Amino acid sequence: AQSVTQLGSHVSVSEGALVLLRCNYSSSVPPYLFWYVQYPNQGLQLLLKYTSAATLVKGINGFEAEFKKSETSFHLTKPSAHMSDAAEYFCAVSEPKSGGGADGLTFGKGTHLIIQP
Amino acid sequence: EAQVTQNPRYLITVTGKKLTVTCSQNMNHEYMSWYRQDPGLGLRQIYYSMNVEVTDKGDVPEGYKVSRKEKRNFPLILESPSPNQTSLYFCASSFRRYNEQFFGPGTRLTVL
Repeated sequence: AQSVTQLGSHVSVSEGALVLLRCNYSSSVPPYLFWYVQYPNQGLQLLLKYTSAATLVKGINGFEAEFKKSETSFHLTKPSAHMSDAAEYFCAVSEPKSGGGADGLTFGKGTHLIIQP
Repeated sequence: EAQVTQNPRYLITVTGKKLTVTCSQNMNHEYMSWYRQDPGLGLRQIYYSMNVEVTDKGDVPEGYKVSRKEKRNFPLILESPSPNQTSLYFCASSFRRYNEQFFGPGTRLTVL
């Protein structure tokens, strides 16, 4: 069964600094991988997705993520943080399931990104 | 506009009073799912549906029911709500089972 680990429940960066949000997954087969963003009082919005094409994936709002199979990682980065990036970020994995329980996407517990002025 | 809608957005109720949260999508998606979001626990799947009349349990189905009589609608039913069901609920849909999911705006439920 797949699982997703996001390192750091809170990450704080200065405006203009590099943003790095970490995501590691466990999966028995090459998965599909996603990053979602949740702004306060809103639903989740897709930032980007990896579906076994290019390993470097570009998303909206200047974010990108690199799929590294050897490290089972899918870290999210942005070269220069903006105040509007403050939000909760979720990494998710999707793979064919076996047995009962959750289906479709499995989410990490989320990372709250704080931008310092 | 392509979207997932949920109603109500906010609901305060009392223990044992049956309630239904509606979910509707206008994208002709086959797959729909309900999640609950709790602090420190992320999103956990309650139920999902792969198509009309096809539903199955997710990770935390106890105390919930769903139905999928039409492709666009996927209501979540709490027949006897309890305080431990106080949470933020999200409905989501996707074209197929493992595609990216589109989320509704959420329903914040408080059970007293």
